[in-house]
Amino acid sequence: KQEVTQIPAALSVPEGENLVLNCSFTDSAIYNLQWFRQDPGKGLTSLLLIQSSQREQTSGRLNASLDKSSGRSTLYIAASQPGDSATYLCAVKGTYKYIFGTGTRLKVLA
Amino acid sequence: DAMVIQNPRYQVTQFGKPVTLSCSQTLNHNVMYWYQQKSSQAPKLLFHYYDKDFNNEADTPDNFQSRRPNTSFCFLDIRSPGLGDAAMYLCATSRDEGDEQFFGPGTRLTVL
Repeated sequence: KQEVTQIPAALSVPEGENLVLNCSFTDSAIYNLQWFRQDPGKGLTSLLLIQSSQREQTSGRLNASLDKSSGRSTLYIAASQPGDSATYLCAVKGTYKYIFGTGTRLKVLA
Repeated sequence: DAMVIQNPRYQVTQFGKPVTLSCSQTLNHNVMYWYQQKSSQAPKLLFHYYDKDFNNEADTPDNFQSRRPNTSFCFLDIRSPGLGDAAMYLCATSRDEGDEQFFGPGTRLTVL
């Protein structure tokens, strides 16, 4: 059974810092992995999708990497801004459905 | 703009009183999903449709039902809501299974 873990659960950083969020999964037989952002009381916004054959994807200040063999993905945020404050969730797609982690709650301090 | 729309954004119901949540999409995607997300927890898949084919998760209570009358709309029916069903309900779509998922803003359900 696939399990997805995100550590730390919460993170506070000063504005301008580069940071890395972690996502671990137990079953390496994945189809793809997707990173989302969720603002309080809102739905999920897709940030990046990495197919199982890819190693990384980039969008603006965001870079996501995938290492299937070790069961890990990281989301790198460059030059963090207060507007980046949100909960970041990763979701791993196995045979037919996505399994979500519980997220990392990020606060970027001005 | 193509999007996923959920109505209402906030729903209050009484214990045991049936409630229906609505999701519509302008993306023309084949797959529509319903997730339940409780406070500080990961979204949990309840069921999904691939076109008209319904796929129920094994641990989804019978109290939860869904309808997809056409490509654009999908409904979540909770037949007899209990206090434990209070949560955010998220609708998502993808072009095909395994493709990028796009989420609506969610419906926050309160059960009194």
